[in-house]
Amino acid sequence: SQQGEEDPQALSIQEGENATMNCSYKTSINNLQWYRQNSGRGLVHLILIRSNEREKHSGRLRVTLDTSKKSSSLLITASRAADTASYFCATDARDDKIIFGKGTRLHILP
Amino acid sequence: NAGVTQTPKFRVLKTGQSMTLLCAQDMNHEYMYWYRQDPGMGLRLIHYSVGEGTTAKGEVPDGYNVSRLKKQNFLLGLESAAPSQTSVYFCASSYGDHNEQFFGPGTRLTVL
Repeated sequence: SQQGEEDPQALSIQEGENATMNCSYKTSINNLQWYRQNSGRGLVHLILIRSNEREKHSGRLRVTLDTSKKSSSLLITASRAADTASYFCATDARDDKIIFGKGTRLHILP
Repeated sequence: NAGVTQTPKFRVLKTGQSMTLLCAQDMNHEYMYWYRQDPGMGLRLIHYSVGEGTTAKGEVPDGYNVSRLKKQNFLLGLESAAPSQTSVYFCASSYGDHNEQFFGPGTRLTVL
């Protein structure tokens, strides 16, 4: 089955900088979702982008989707200490359940 | 609203013991899911349910059974626990199959 693969696996940046993480997948999708997981907690849904959308914003989050390249990116602007977490993309194919990638671990340095 | 709750939060079992993990949601969602999360593996779907009285296998169903007798509850059972089932288990629910999922806080299970 297809799977979203996040890149990089880990990322450390200074507070206030922007963080960008990417997700690549293999087959056609209905939509792609991004989730955040704080240490020791469950996943929290951040944003859903449909296959016919190219960009979506939510507060300091910006998600892009390029279906021709089968890739998506999540940009967090003006990062804060509270953004330290793991971020997962989840791909939703037409004939399959939502499949989660292995995640990007983001660490915001003070 | 409590959202999705899971009990217990932690559990230690000996090989061969059995246990049931309980998931409850108060959002009237039709779909419910059980995942396991292991280091470096991301989340893997164990079983899921598309409505009361229904269950289906996910990616890694072996060694687990589930039941959905009530719409708000989804139970995950381990009949004979093995060390390979040491993991963090997450329950999730959603309104529809392609909608956002709401996750519980997780159950950390260790099998000795």
